[in-house]
Amino acid sequence: GESVGLHLPTLSVQEGDNSIINCAYSNSASDYFIWYKQESGKGPQFIIDIRSNMDKRQGQRVTVLLNKTVKHLSLQIAATQPGDSAVYFCAENKGDYKLSFGAGTTVTVRA
Amino acid sequence: KAGVTQTPRYLIKTRGQQVTLSCSPISGHRSVSWYQQTPGQGLQFLFEYFSETQRNKGNFPGRFSGRQFSNSRSEMNVSTLELGDSALYLCASSLGGPSDTQYFGPGTRLTVL
Repeated sequence: GESVGLHLPTLSVQEGDNSIINCAYSNSASDYFIWYKQESGKGPQFIIDIRSNMDKRQGQRVTVLLNKTVKHLSLQIAATQPGDSAVYFCAENKGDYKLSFGAGTTVTVRA
Repeated sequence: KAGVTQTPRYLIKTRGQQVTLSCSPISGHRSVSWYQQTPGQGLQFLFEYFSETQRNKGNFPGRFSGRQFSNSRSEMNVSTLELGDSALYLCASSLGGPSDTQYFGPGTRLTVL
C-alpha cells in the first residue's frame, strides 16, 4: 500500500539530549521525503528534505537519514531545546504534486 | 518575503451551510495545494492547482471544490457541511514543480455545529 507511518506517536526527551524520530514508508516510487514541524496553533513548518538518491542530509542541528533498503527515514535533532517541542511529520512526495503524510510524533522536551 | 496567508483563521458554521476559504501563496509561487487535518485522519491531500488548473485531486467527495485565480490566489469551497468536516484546513504553496517544497500557511479552523 501507499502509506507513510511513524514508529512512535510520542517522544519525551531531556533538554540537551539528542532526539531521533523515525518513519517507515512503503512506496518505493517516492521521489523525495520531507520532515515538517507543527507547533500548536500553527501550520506545518518545513525542516529538511532528502531526495531518494541520497542517504543523508544535514541542516542546522538536524540530520535526516534515508535507508531505502528497509524503507526507513529518520530525523535526528541535536541538543534538543524547549522550542523543539512540537509534532513532527514525515511526508512523502512521488512527484505528483501532492504530499502523503505520516501520523506524526509528538516531541516533548523536559527541562 | 511574506509567507502563505489564509483567511479567515477561524470559522463556525452549521450543518448544511457552505463555506469558502481563501489562500494567498508566497509571492512568486504558482502552485497552491489544500490539505485537511483532523485528529483521526491526520493530514490528507484535497487538491492542487497551478495556473488556474487542477493537476491532482485527493479522495474527497464532490462537496469539496476549489479554484485558483490568475494571481495564484486560491479558494476552496465546501458545500452542504457535515459535522465530520470540522477540521483544520491548510493551504500550501510552491514554485510549481512536481517535487518542489511546499510551504504551509497557518490554516483555517472550521467548526461545524
